[in-house]
Order: sequence, then structure tokens, then C-alpha cells
Amino acid sequence: ILNVEQSPQSLHVQEGDSTNFTCSFPSSNFYALHWYRWETAKSPEALFVMTLNGDEKKKGRISATLNTKEGYSYLYIKGSQPEDSATYLCALSFGNEKLTFGTGTRLTIIP
Amino acid sequence: EPEVTQTPSHQVTQMGQEVILRCVPISNHLYFYWYRQILGQKVEFLVSFYNNEISEKSEIFDDQFSVERPDGSNFTLKIRSTKLEDSAMYFCASSVVRVMGQPQHFGDGTRLSIL
Repeated sequence: ILNVEQSPQSLHVQEGDSTNFTCSFPSSNFYALHWYRWETAKSPEALFVMTLNGDEKKKGRISATLNTKEGYSYLYIKGSQPEDSATYLCALSFGNEKLTFGTGTRLTIIP
Repeated sequence: EPEVTQTPSHQVTQMGQEVILRCVPISNHLYFYWYRQILGQKVEFLVSFYNNEISEKSEIFDDQFSVERPDGSNFTLKIRSTKLEDSAMYFCASSVVRVMGQPQHFGDGTRLSIL
């Protein structure tokens, strides 16, 4: 069974601070890693899809890195804002269509 | 921006009843998916659908489940005889192509409660 782990499970960050969290996965047969941002009562929103070792992607204050050889990805948020409060999901695909999700990191920004 | 829409947002059904969850994928997308999340657990893949047939399904997707694209826009998930353990949030997703690097776009979900 493929195991995708995310840590921490939850995180409280002061507004204005920067933060990061981790997605870990088995490094063999890697295909693509997806990051989603999921606000309560809304649909998960695609942030990044990364496929190459060493990939770095950025969207505004949010960025992500990928290390396929050691099996991890980091998501960074710079200068956290209240609207960043959400659950951040990572998901992997391994040469097929289905996404295998981690448990998510629930981020709460404290004003 | 085009989006995936799901109806209803919440469905309450008696155990043993049939339920149909509906989805309208993004119009130019070709691949369609159903996922679910039982409260407190991970989001789990159920089934993928392409070219009017199932392309992959998980162990969860047994004979009680079926999917259909009855017309050019809707994509439905049917559970024939619901069980208590089917209570979950069900998400529909679609993607434009099945290639590396393309995201799947999700709907808001249908919360299914089995009594």
C-alpha cells in the first residue's frame, strides 16, 4: 500500500510569519506530486503539479520544492495572511491516473 | 474560470436505498474521477472514467457502485444499496488530459449521510 505522509497534521501560525510543511512519499516509481489548498466547504484548489527532481514552483507567496530521490516535498508560505487558513493536501500519481492523498496539514493563521 | 459542479451539496438517505450523485465536469475535459473522504480519514480514489468506460477502479468500488456519463455533460456516481459506511464526502474531479503534470480539478463535494 502506497503511503503518503504529511506533517505536521495541524499548525497555528501568527499572521505575518512564514511557515512550511512536508509531504513524504516512497521515492520509487514516482510520477507527479500535486499540492492542493482546501478551504472548508469549498473544492480543493490545485496549487502545483511537480514532476522533476529539484523542481521549484511559486504562486504569489506560496512556493514548493520537490526531492524525488529522498521522497519529500516542502510547501512554503511567506508572510502568512488569514486567507491562507486552509488544509493543504499533497497527492501523488504513480504512472496512472489516480491520486493518492496524504492526510493533509491544517493551517490556521492567527490574526 | 470554468469549474466542476456537484449536486446535491448534501444528501441524506436511509440505509439500503439507492443514491445518485451528480457532477458536471469542465466542458473540454476528457477524464473524470470520483473520490471520497470519510470523516477524519484521507481522501480516497474510487474510480476514473475515460471514453465512456472505467479506466481504473479501487477496491472500494465494488458491485454496489457504478458510474455513468448519460449525456455530454453529466457524470454520475450511483450507489445501489447504501450502507452506513458509505457516509462520506464524495468529490468529482476532471482533467483535460491524462499526462504528467496536469492537475485534476475538483468540485465542492456532496456530503452523503446514511441513516
